Amino acid sequence: AQSVTQLDSHVSVSEGTPVLLRCNYSSSYSPSLFWYVQHPNKGLQLLLKYTSAATLVKGINGFEAEFKKSETSFHLTKPSAHMSDAAEYFCVVSAYSGAGSYQLTFGKGTKLSVIP
Amino acid sequence: EAQVTQNPRYLITVTGKKLTVTCSQNMNHEYMSWYRQDPGLGLRQIYYSMNVEVTDKGDVPEGYKVSRKEKRNFPLILESPSPNQTSLYFCASSPSGGSDTQYFGPGTRLTVL
Repeated sequence: AQSVTQLDSHVSVSEGTPVLLRCNYSSSYSPSLFWYVQHPNKGLQLLLKYTSAATLVKGINGFEAEFKKSETSFHLTKPSAHMSDAAEYFCVVSAYSGAGSYQLTFGKGTKLSVIP
Repeated sequence: EAQVTQNPRYLITVTGKKLTVTCSQNMNHEYMSWYRQDPGLGLRQIYYSMNVEVTDKGDVPEGYKVSRKEKRNFPLILESPSPNQTSLYFCASSPSGGSDTQYFGPGTRLTVL
């Protein structure tokens, strides 16, 4: 069994200040981890993913995330928020579920607001 | 253009009237899946398929059926829709699941009265 916990349902930051969106996970197998972003009334777009290579992963639009196995965390950060970053962000774990299958589990999402 | 398409995009129906939401991808992906998105609950996986004729239940399969007769298509079937199935539905595909990036369709907003 696997699970994902996004620790904040809503984060509000001022434009130009750092962003931190927190994600903890649990998984019986070595997981792959993802962050997806969903802008209002849009589909989901991949920001970045961790697949057991470098623990610090860089994504699009200046976002990055660090995989910390000891803390079972995969927090998303950005040094300086932009108005266009306002969206909902989802942390996702993908792990082997047996018989050649993989199951994906999404966190409940963190809505990021950026104040001008 | 590589894409995942869903039809219809919007659907209002009544309780008990069977419906099908189609999903098609043109990327020759092995893995396809369906999700429902509800406020405060994120996306929850309904069913997924690793290949043709291979489907597995996700976290919330009750009330839904799927089939995978061709690699490119993965329709979602609601045999007897109920109001608690009112939701935003997304189809997604990826080369083979696992660590692959998921490519999402535009979503289908379903209302069951």
